[in-house]
Amino acid sequence: AQSVTQLGSHVSVSEGALVLLRCNYSSSVPPYLFWYVQYPNQGLQLLLKYTSAATLVKGINGFEAEFKKSETSFHLTKPSAHMSDAAEYFCAVLNYGANSKLTFGKGITLSVRP
Amino acid sequence: ETGVTQSPTHLIKTRGQQVTLRCSSQSGHNTVSWYQQALGQGPQFIFQYYREEENGRGNFPPRFSGLQFPNYSSELNVNALELDDSALYLCASSTGANNYEQYFGPGTRLTVT
Repeated sequence: AQSVTQLGSHVSVSEGALVLLRCNYSSSVPPYLFWYVQYPNQGLQLLLKYTSAATLVKGINGFEAEFKKSETSFHLTKPSAHMSDAAEYFCAVLNYGANSKLTFGKGITLSVRP
Repeated sequence: ETGVTQSPTHLIKTRGQQVTLRCSSQSGHNTVSWYQQALGQGPQFIFQYYREEENGRGNFPPRFSGLQFPNYSSELNVNALELDDSALYLCASSTGANNYEQYFGPGTRLTVT
């Protein structure tokens, strides 16, 4: 079975600082990996996805993630945090095959200090 | 192009009651997946419908059931509500051919008292 682990439930950074949100996956087949963002009282918005093409994936709002097979990781980064980045972030792995269910991590809450 | 919409946005029910949540897919999408997101948790897959047939189910009891209609809109029905059913219910639509990219609606917040 595929799974993702997001270490830590809360990350706090200063505005302008580097954002690093960690995600490790477990999969017996080459994974499709995703990062979603959820703002308060809203649904999920796709930030970026890895589908076995380039290992460095660029997404919306200046975010990017690097797929590292040797480390089974797909960490999300942004060089300079903005106040509007404060939200909950979910890493997910796709169970492609008979159905395309997503398996999500528990999420990380990002706070941005002025 | 309209996105995924869900109704109602909020709902309060009493334990033992039944509830129906609705989802309208994004235009051109024939696949709908439903997820339950408990407070402080990531979404959990409930089931998926593809062309009006259930196409996979997560670890949820049979009192969670669904329908997909010819226009690809969908319903999630939950019978005999329990307190632990309180959660945000999300639906996501996708196209069958490119179904790894799922587009989520805003969710329905269900509170069971």
